[in-house]
Amino acid sequence: EAQVTQNPRYLITVTGKKLTVTCSQNMNHEYMSWYRQDPGLGLRQIYYSMNVEVTDKGDVPEGYKVSRKEKRNFPLILESPSPNQTSLYFCASSPDRAVLGIQYFGAGTRLSVL
Amino acid sequence: RKEVEQDPGPFNVPEGATVAFNCTYSNSASQSFFWYRQDCRKEPKLLMSVYSSGNEDGRFTAQLNRASQYISLLIRDSKLSDSATYLCVVNNRNTGNQFYFGTGTSLTVIP
Repeated sequence: EAQVTQNPRYLITVTGKKLTVTCSQNMNHEYMSWYRQDPGLGLRQIYYSMNVEVTDKGDVPEGYKVSRKEKRNFPLILESPSPNQTSLYFCASSPDRAVLGIQYFGAGTRLSVL
Repeated sequence: RKEVEQDPGPFNVPEGATVAFNCTYSNSASQSFFWYRQDCRKEPKLLMSVYSSGNEDGRFTAQLNRASQYISLLIRDSKLSDSATYLCVVNNRNTGNQFYFGTGTSLTVIP
């Protein structure tokens, strides 16, 4: 089944404790992206990647890191999480440059930073 | 100024009604436009792309007005299953490949 898989789905952590949210897609998509969704602010793009070893900042990259060592994986790293990073996070992928708007989303990760 | 703005609603309409949402975007160089649907904080799913000439998919019609910088979504003969939040999405490839989402418009179709 074609899908984007995020793990974990739910995470409660404490300020400053490094964490990684994994994202994997099995559709051989070139484009992958991370978003956060907050009430009243909608989805905001954190980072995106056009292909392996190519990553770019989105609208709200501060406090996050990403890597794209393999085509299928695009982990989101919070080196020192803070309470303002409490949010609902979505990973998404898209086939190629021609159809970038057609994004497939993972089920989301609810993160709480205490 | 936000890249994309939508009326958050909520829109509460009876079954069978026709409802329309608008979305405005601020960057005149925006090139690609989409409507996504999101149910109860689940993942967004693509509803339809919006083409310059307008496009229709069953009960759903999307329009683009570049002069006024807005896109619209029209839903005819509303069904209970149409209840969701509708997200407007804009992309400008000239300045990268970022996507800008509106905050969404909430629709509830009432029996």
